[in-house]
Amino acid sequence: GAGVSQSPRYKVAKRGQDVALRCDPISGHVSLFWYQQALGQGPEFLTYFQNEAQLDKSGLPSDRFFAERPEGSVSTLKIQRTQQEDSAVYLCASSLVPGAGNTIYFGEGSWLTVV
Amino acid sequence: AQKITQTQPGMFVQEKEAVTLDCTYDTSDPSYGLFWYKQPSSGEMIFLIYQGSYDQQNATEGRYSLNFQKARKSANLVISASQLGDSAMYFCAMREAGGQAGTALIFGKGTTLSVSS
Repeated sequence: GAGVSQSPRYKVAKRGQDVALRCDPISGHVSLFWYQQALGQGPEFLTYFQNEAQLDKSGLPSDRFFAERPEGSVSTLKIQRTQQEDSAVYLCASSLVPGAGNTIYFGEGSWLTVV
Repeated sequence: AQKITQTQPGMFVQEKEAVTLDCTYDTSDPSYGLFWYKQPSSGEMIFLIYQGSYDQQNATEGRYSLNFQKARKSANLVISASQLGDSAMYFCAMREAGGQAGTALIFGKGTTLSVSS
């Protein structure tokens, strides 16, 4: 597709429910990032993939959060046993190649509300 | 230590005037990139402008320019001739080279810009 695509755009989950958020990066993009953005705050880094390899998962807040990119394209962020503090926008981003100088393009985000 | 600092929670400007949004950063990596993104209320993160640490000239993209002062570790965004549609949250971000793979993009807390007529 033309841009980074995320689904669902909006998700309401009951506390304790598991959720899965999908990201389709721009075709051919090697690097893929997940961010969590609370209301009124800047995006906080969660995890980073280069192709199928998860190079950095230092930002995942707990072991309830898990991300994968098995074939080096589509990625899924899974949150188990959701808590109210997980309510946020989850942003996915991709860049063509690794390296500091490559523009990173964002999707529109998945807005998660845990009730 | 915070890597990206944006000290202005909110800025107000009149239409057609210029405005400067401040950003300072902290890194020991000699190779890094600095980015500015715009996030309107719809939530989409829109890339505006990029400055590489080795670039000799300040980056410009249309009405956006980046005032890069490497020794002071600052990368301020200048928006000329503000328009009502510029009202949004603006984020400064940095990515270090960190070897071949690069590192994640790290964001500041953002500045809310309000443009009035």
